[in-house]
Parts: sequence; C-alpha cells; structure tokens
Amino acid sequence: LAKTTQPISMDSYEGQEVNITCSHNNIATNDYITWYQQFPSQGPRFIIQGYKTKVTNEVASLFIPADRKSSTLSLPRVSLSDTAVYYCLVVDYKLSFGAGTTVTVRA
Amino acid sequence: DVKVTQSSRYLVKRTGEKVFLECVQDMDHENMFWYRQDPGLGLRLIYFSYDVKMKEKGDIPEGYSVSREKKERFSLILESASTNQTSMYLCASSSNPDSNTEAFFGQGTRLTVV
Repeated sequence: LAKTTQPISMDSYEGQEVNITCSHNNIATNDYITWYQQFPSQGPRFIIQGYKTKVTNEVASLFIPADRKSSTLSLPRVSLSDTAVYYCLVVDYKLSFGAGTTVTVRA
Repeated sequence: DVKVTQSSRYLVKRTGEKVFLECVQDMDHENMFWYRQDPGLGLRLIYFSYDVKMKEKGDIPEGYSVSREKKERFSLILESASTNQTSMYLCASSSNPDSNTEAFFGQGTRLTVV
C-alpha cells in the first residue's frame, strides 16, 4: 500500500506561487497521483490527477518526475481564498487520505 | 450536478446509544467510503464498500459497522456511541475501485456524543 508524505504546513503571501511536494516511494505501476483541497467545514474536493510528467488545469499544475516517487502540486498566484488543506493521494482501492498540508495565504 | 448527501449536518447523541449516519449518492457510483476527521489527524478511513452488500475495513474500523443494502446508500453505524467518537464524519463516493477517477464528498456530519 503506497504511503504519502507531505509537509504539515506552508505559509505564503497573495500573488506568490505555492509548491507542495509529496513523496510516495512505494507507488505501484498502475497507481495515479491525485490531489484534493479542503476548506473549513466542507468535504474535500478533487483538484488534479496525473500519472506522469505534467498535468495542468485551471486550478493547478501537477509535476511528476520519471521515477514517480514524488510529485509537486503547484498553485500559481495564490489568493486568500486558496487557504485550505491539500491532500496528496496515491489512489489505490482504499482511497486513504493522510493529514494533508495546511496552506495559509496571507495578505 | 453530482451529489452526495448526508442525512444530518449536526447530531448530538448520548453515550451508549446506537447511532446511524446515512449517506446517499445520486451518481450510480460503485464505491462508497466513510471517514472521520479530527483536528491534526486529517481524514481517516473507517470503512468502504465497492459493491452492494460488500464492505471492507479501513484504517480505523473499531467501534463502527456499515451497511450497504442498496447501491446509492451507505450507512455508518455506531453500535454503542462513546465520547471518543465525537468527530466530523464524511461520506464519499466514486465510480471506479482503482485509479483515475474523482471521489465526491458530502458536507459532513458533526457528531457530538455526550
């Protein structure tokens, strides 16, 4: 069962780029890497998923190196509303979350 | 719009009571999950189900059971509620048991056991 490790917290300022790196050394060949975002008093919501190289959508970019043992979620030009907990998952049949990374954006 | 609905937003129960938390999804998803969330501990998986009448233990199943009699409904049962089960409970569903699909979450039920 692949386990992920990510920083507990990160601070940033409005307009900056935030990069959160997640390590998943035991990722299996067929596993995808998925990131979720959770605001206070809400359930998590999916933001991005990838298998290798780079994926970009309107919210974020996901960078995955060739060995797939880590991945980096990049949030461009964050605003106060990006303050949330971000979870990195290696999706297997269990959909296990960890403690996530609390990102705090300050003015 | 896809929807996962949890029956109560807030619930207060007494120690020893049998508690049912209900979750319904309208997306015809095969997989459903129950989590609890506590400060500093993230989401912890209690039970999940990948088919009707099928269930598997998650990471913290002790003190809980589940029921999935219909595809759209997944119930979490606290047989005898205890104060250490005071928590936020979140239900989720997804369409594929393996990899590249998105899970959708309900708004959560904040349970207080007194």
